[in-house]
Amino acid sequence: AQRVTQPEKLLSVFKGAPVELKCNYSYSGSPELFWYVQYSRQRLQLLLRHISRESIKGFTADLNKGETSFHLKKPFAQEEDSAMYYCALMKGSASKIIFGSGTRLSIRP
Amino acid sequence: ETGVTQSPTHLIKTRGQQVTLRCSSQSGHNTVSWYQQALGQGPQFIFQYYREEENGRGNFPPRFSGLQFPNYSSELNVNALELDDSALYLCASSPGGPQNIQYFGAGTRLSVL
Repeated sequence: AQRVTQPEKLLSVFKGAPVELKCNYSYSGSPELFWYVQYSRQRLQLLLRHISRESIKGFTADLNKGETSFHLKKPFAQEEDSAMYYCALMKGSASKIIFGSGTRLSIRP
Repeated sequence: ETGVTQSPTHLIKTRGQQVTLRCSSQSGHNTVSWYQQALGQGPQFIFQYYREEENGRGNFPPRFSGLQFPNYSSELNVNALELDDSALYLCASSPGGPQNIQYFGAGTRLSVL
């Protein structure tokens, strides 16, 4: 069965420290993976998708098929990065997106 | 602003009742997906509509049904409400097909008493 696992419910780091939000997935085909973010009092929005290979707001994520991981990284955390982050997997048919349970990132000043 | 509007924002129902939730998307967004988000969990896929036809369904019983209309609006209907149906219901729409970026609404908070 397809599954997305985010092992940390809460991650707290100091401003300026590196951030890594973990995401592991199980899927037998070729997945498309995403990170979504929800800032306080805002709606869920796409942060980045692996096929774009972009860096958004300083965040990057690399798909590691061997480890079935798609960890989100940022070298220097900023206070405005505090939010809820969800890793998500889209099946090849594009008809279903599976979300992880989310990690709350808190950046301490 | 993404232009995806959901109504109502909050709703209280009793067990056994029926509910209809609505979503209005931007012009050209021919794909709409509905999700259920329980407290402390990520969104769970209910179903997706593409050009007014169901295009995929998650592990939800048939009492969860939907419609998509030509004017880019859609509905989620839930019959015979149960206490566990209490959750935030999100709709998300995509322009140009299911493979494109989904834009989320703010959600409808449903409480079943």
